[in-house]
Amino acid sequence: AQSVTQLDSQVPVFEEAPVELRCNYSSSVSVYLFWYVQYPNQGLQLLLKYLSGSTLVESINGFEAEFNKSQTSFHLRKPSVHISDTAEYFCAVSDGGGSEKLVFGKGTKLTVNP
Amino acid sequence: KAGVTQTPRYLIKTRGQQVTLSCSPISGHRSVSWYQQTPGQGLQFLFEYFSETQRNKGNFPGRFSGRQFSNSRSEMNVSTLELGDSALYLCASSEKQGAAGYTFGSGTRLTVV
Repeated sequence: AQSVTQLDSQVPVFEEAPVELRCNYSSSVSVYLFWYVQYPNQGLQLLLKYLSGSTLVESINGFEAEFNKSQTSFHLRKPSVHISDTAEYFCAVSDGGGSEKLVFGKGTKLTVNP
Repeated sequence: KAGVTQTPRYLIKTRGQQVTLSCSPISGHRSVSWYQQTPGQGLQFLFEYFSETQRNKGNFPGRFSGRQFSNSRSEMNVSTLELGDSALYLCASSEKQGAAGYTFGSGTRLTVV
């Protein structure tokens, strides 16, 4: 069965600093990979996803993630964070075959301080 | 285009009661999946419905059930509520089966007292 490890449960950073949220998944033949963001008392919003093709995927608000098959990683990065990026971030994986569920990591709470 | 609508947003129930949660998918979406989110266990898959049929089921006891109607709206039911059922229940809809096209709703916060 698939599993996802988010190595950091909490990441505090200062505004305008770069950030990397780490995500590793268990090996599989093919996978779909996702990053979701959750603000307090809200549902999950998709940040970006890798289904196939280019291993570097980007979101409209400056986040990017790179699929690394050899290291089974899908780390999320942003070169300069804002206060409004404070939220919980979840990495998720599904087997890339069709009718598969998402398996989530435990989440990383990103706190951006002024 | 309206998003995924979950009702109610908040619910308080007593241990032993049963509860029904509702999810209205985005228009044209035929798949609805349900997830439970708790501080201890994180986000866990409950079940997926597509065209009124349960296509996939997570590892939850039989007290958790669901159904999907012909208009793709879905309900999940939890019977004989336990304190540990307190959670945020999220549903996600997509055009096709599977997680690639998910859009999540805002969730229903269930508190069991």
